[in-house]
Amino acid sequence: GAVVSQHPSWVICKSGTSVKIECRSLDFQATTMFWYRQFPKQSLMLMATSNEGSKATYEQGVEKDKFLINHASLTLSTLTVTSAHPEDSSFYICRAGQGATGELFFGEGSRLTVL
Amino acid sequence: KNEVEQSPQNLTAQEGEFITINCSYSVGISALHWLQQHPGGGIVSLFMLSSGKKKHGRLIATINIQEKHSSLHITASHPRDSAVYICAVNNNDMRFGAGTRLTVKP
Repeated sequence: GAVVSQHPSWVICKSGTSVKIECRSLDFQATTMFWYRQFPKQSLMLMATSNEGSKATYEQGVEKDKFLINHASLTLSTLTVTSAHPEDSSFYICRAGQGATGELFFGEGSRLTVL
Repeated sequence: KNEVEQSPQNLTAQEGEFITINCSYSVGISALHWLQQHPGGGIVSLFMLSSGKKKHGRLIATINIQEKHSSLHITASHPRDSAVYICAVNNNDMRFGAGTRLTVKP
C-alpha cells in the first residue's frame, strides 16, 4: 500500500514557540491532505482539508491563524502550530487523499507536548 | 448520538480467544473502513467494505448495508493484536467511531 511519512513523531516545545509537522506521500501524488487531532481515548477530529496549490478548508472551531496548513506540492503538506500553548498538546495525524482503490493512508502521527 | 457507534469501548481477551468488535452507523455510506491504531499512534487500514465479507489472515470483516452494521472478527487472538480498532464510514466526508481498545493477554 501507499506510504505516508509524517514527522516529527514526537515533539516537546515551550509555550509560545511554533512547531511544524510535515506529512509526505512517498509513492503517490496526494492532491488532498487531511489533518486530524486526537485527544486521549477519543476519536479523530478533522481539523482541516488541504488541496495542493490552494488554501486549506478549516473545520468549524479550528483557528486558521493558529494552525497554518501549507500544501505546496503533491507530495508534501505541513501543519504549523503557531504560538503553541499547553492546550495544544495533542496527537496530530495526517491522511493523504484516498488512492484509486479508496483505501485510507495515514501518517504515523505526531505527538505534541507544549510545556 | 454519534453517527458511528462502536462497541465495546474496551475489550480484554485471553490469547487464542475469538474476538468481535461491532460498528453501527446512521448515515448512508459508500464504504466502511476498519482501521487499526497501534499504541504508538500510527493508523493502518485493515479493510474497506461496501458489501459482504472480507478476510485477511486471522481478520474477518462483514457488513450488512440494510442494517447499517459491520463487525470485525479476530480469530485466534494474539497479544500483538492489542490495539485500538476504529470503524470509519465514507459519507462524502469520513466519519470515525471512537474506537475499541483491545488488550489480548498472553
